[in-house]
Amino acid sequence: EDQVTQSPEALRLQEGESSSLNCSYTVSGLRGLFWYRQDPGKGPEFLFTLYSAGEEKEKERLKATLTKKESFLHITAPKPEDSATYLCAVQATGFQKLVFGTGTRLLVSP
Amino acid sequence: NAGVTQTPKFQVLKTGQSMTLQCAQDMNHNSMYWYRQDPGMGLRLIYYSASEGTTDKGEVPNGYNVSRLNKREFSLRLESAAPSQTSVYFCASRKDSYEQYFGPGTRLTVT
Repeated sequence: EDQVTQSPEALRLQEGESSSLNCSYTVSGLRGLFWYRQDPGKGPEFLFTLYSAGEEKEKERLKATLTKKESFLHITAPKPEDSATYLCAVQATGFQKLVFGTGTRLLVSP
Repeated sequence: NAGVTQTPKFQVLKTGQSMTLQCAQDMNHNSMYWYRQDPGMGLRLIYYSASEGTTDKGEVPNGYNVSRLNKREFSLRLESAAPSQTSVYFCASRKDSYEQYFGPGTRLTVT
């Protein structure tokens, strides 16, 4: 069964304090790994897709990386506006469905 | 482009009542999805439609029905609402095998 585990459940950072969020996955064959950001009361917002081990994607202060067993979302010098829940999801080859983790709640204090 | 839109934004139902959640997308996407999101459970797939005219069950389909009305619209119906269906419901759409785009959600309470 395809499974996604995200850690930590919650993370509190000071502004400028860099850190990483982890997404561990088991899937029969990886078609893609997706990162989303979700603000309170809103729908998930797409950030990145990673397709193969070794791939990296960057957007502003965020950088996503992928290995055969896990993905990391690195946040460099975060700002309060980066506070949100970050969701990870995987799609198995040959399947339409995404399997989501339960997310990491990030709070960045000024 | 409005992206993915959902109506209503909020709804309160009594046990046994029925309702339909509406979803529309203007991105010409082939696939559409309905999820529910509950605290500590993550997003769980209820039903999806890979293309116009087809629908398939997801992880938690019991108590729900769907209709893919046309390429743009995908509705979710609760025939007899139960308190266990209290949740936030999200619709999403996707072109081919790329990322899914989500709507703003419908917050449903069943009393």
